[in-house]
Amino acid sequence: AQKITQTQPGMFVQEKEAVTLDCTYDTSDPSYGLFWYKQPSSGEMIFLIYQGSYDQQNATEGRYSLNFQKARKSANLVISASQLGDSAMYFCAMREETGANNLFFGTGTRLTVIP
Amino acid sequence: ETGVTQTPRHLVMGMTNKKSLKCEQHLGHNAMYWYKQSAKKPLELMFVYNFKEQTENNSVPSRFSPECPNSSHLFLHLHTLQPEDSALYLCASSQAGGSVFYEQYFGPGTRLTVT
Repeated sequence: AQKITQTQPGMFVQEKEAVTLDCTYDTSDPSYGLFWYKQPSSGEMIFLIYQGSYDQQNATEGRYSLNFQKARKSANLVISASQLGDSAMYFCAMREETGANNLFFGTGTRLTVIP
Repeated sequence: ETGVTQTPRHLVMGMTNKKSLKCEQHLGHNAMYWYKQSAKKPLELMFVYNFKEQTENNSVPSRFSPECPNSSHLFLHLHTLQPEDSALYLCASSQAGGSVFYEQYFGPGTRLTVT
């Protein structure tokens, strides 16, 4: 079974609007970490935000927030006030406590911000 | 230089060639990783080094040979590759110890084409 599922291959958003990128995960570990990365066309994976499985509050980093619903095993990324520079691939990833060297990635969502 | 650097950024090689990819991190981390990113597939973890010791080898063919001479440098030696090995190869680093909290920082990648 896939550890990370991203069901939106592509998304469009109007500049200055908010957008939600979906991510669901599958694990039986009680302790795990969830990450979102941005990959512009240049190729580099840029770390955006982290959510721990025991964190009580949703993580926020500037315009990025993570909508963590543990019971539903979802960790959606919300980008507020979209900018043209947000156009990129976005990857959700998970690290489990067992075998914690392995960072499992989803297939990504390509976000395009429209002027 | 800061962060994680990779050279070369682009590489074209024939199936009988031998080449090496280089990765260097300037973040004081003790764990380094090689990933393969093929089109429309999740990132695949290839190798992990913790404190210069290889701790993961995810069933990677022997035509890929990693080397980690110290905590700051990581190489991927390539020989007799196949066209299906064409991909973006990403290097990453993190704090060692396998904690779920440690995010990985990525380099810009090497775009490899095997002809």
